[in-house]
Amino acid sequence: QVQLVESGGGVVQPGRSLRLSCAASGFSITSYGMHWVRQAPGKGLEWLTVISSDGNTKFYTDSVKGRFTISKDISQNTLFLEMDSLKPEDTAVYYCAKDDHNRGYDYWGQGTLVTVSS
Amino acid sequence: DIQMTQSPSSLSASVGDRVTITCRASQGISNYLAWYQQRPGKVPKLLIDAASTLQSGVPSRFSGTGSGTDFTLTISSLQPEDVATYYCQKYDNSDPFTFGPGTKVDIK
Repeated sequence: QVQLVESGGGVVQPGRSLRLSCAASGFSITSYGMHWVRQAPGKGLEWLTVISSDGNTKFYTDSVKGRFTISKDISQNTLFLEMDSLKPEDTAVYYCAKDDHNRGYDYWGQGTLVTVSS
Repeated sequence: DIQMTQSPSSLSASVGDRVTITCRASQGISNYLAWYQQRPGKVPKLLIDAASTLQSGVPSRFSGTGSGTDFTLTISSLQPEDVATYYCQKYDNSDPFTFGPGTKVDIK
């Protein structure tokens, strides 16, 4: 069955970097667009970035453009989010999500908490 | 960028009530709209895509309508397990894939 498992969250100081992983199973990430979405404590969902099924197209929301990079390793069937120059306002639960061929996210990971604090 | 708004931001209704949530896009997005349910402490769940297509396993008391800029999510008979925050999201391939701010639904 389809499963998405995030890892890599933790506590990091402002200005530092962190890399999140999302291990996919039950499907191939070469067949679907994959997204990262975050949710700050007590707040709503914020879409961050998407990578197309072929990996050639990437979009980012303005607040992370130039600081975050989405990528994937098809040999590991794993999605990544490289986060640089982290700010306290990046504190959130980060979810990866599978795009059902542009019909919404039919599967989500359980989320990984990133806390940016000195 | 296209902005997504939702109303109301929260509501409280009785079990069995009909509940309607509105989502509005600042520009037309055809029917490229999804609705998600996020129960407290849980991961979001896709309820409806293409504005009105109910996902498999989602109770039929949920329905979605709309096209262009105005969309609605209706719960025909509110149940205790429907206590959650509901989000709309556009996915018309014009980045970003913005979520609405959410509507929190409680039982009165």
